[in-house]
Amino acid sequence: DTGVSQNPRHKITKRGQNVTFRCDPISEHNRLYWYRQTLGQGPEFLTYFQNEAQLEKSRLLSDRFSAERPKGSFSTLEIQRTEQGDSAMYLCASSLDRDSNYGYTFGSGTRLTVV
Amino acid sequence: AQSVSQHNHHVILSEAASLELGCNYSYGGTVNLFWYVQYPGQHLQLLLKYFSGDPLVKGIKGFEAEFIKSKFSFNLRKPSVQWSDTAEYFCAVNLPNTGGFKTIFGAGTRLFVKA
Repeated sequence: DTGVSQNPRHKITKRGQNVTFRCDPISEHNRLYWYRQTLGQGPEFLTYFQNEAQLEKSRLLSDRFSAERPKGSFSTLEIQRTEQGDSAMYLCASSLDRDSNYGYTFGSGTRLTVV
Repeated sequence: AQSVSQHNHHVILSEAASLELGCNYSYGGTVNLFWYVQYPGQHLQLLLKYFSGDPLVKGIKGFEAEFIKSKFSFNLRKPSVQWSDTAEYFCAVNLPNTGGFKTIFGAGTRLFVKA
């Protein structure tokens, strides 16, 4: 078990381009969460999956954002037509159902810079 | 809306000094409370958690936190800090009655310990 893995670690893109990030959770964890963290702020909830079902989306997740977890294992987060305001650290976390109230395991994040 | 407030954004201490980081949350119902730590260049890690029982919770590396329900507070303490405690600390609250799908984080406190 290598923990929660996120790729890429860093992404620089031009405004208007699409980007996709990947998260591989701990293998037996059925819950997966995406958070966004900007400078000077704590992580902000974006969305959550239980297995392959996306059960909750924050209003921070505009229609340019889409997340999937097709087989209940890895997840992708896509941002279309990126804007400079999308520059942030995108964090993925996972947990087991029974442990969800007891804390998550986070990945190292993907740092997005939109120029 | 639920929120978490951390009183200090930056704290500078000398080694062996005592530490107390303030955290208040706004939610009247049952909560689970956490402190996460992010060491330089590393991912967020769970430091300690409270979900029931003794309101004084002990975590790793000599940290402890006290839940005071009447004050909606969950302050983090350590009697004697070390240089290796230099990190960013995040207080977080999770609402167990929502199935644990969303954890709300404070903005974080950057601690710098002078050797």
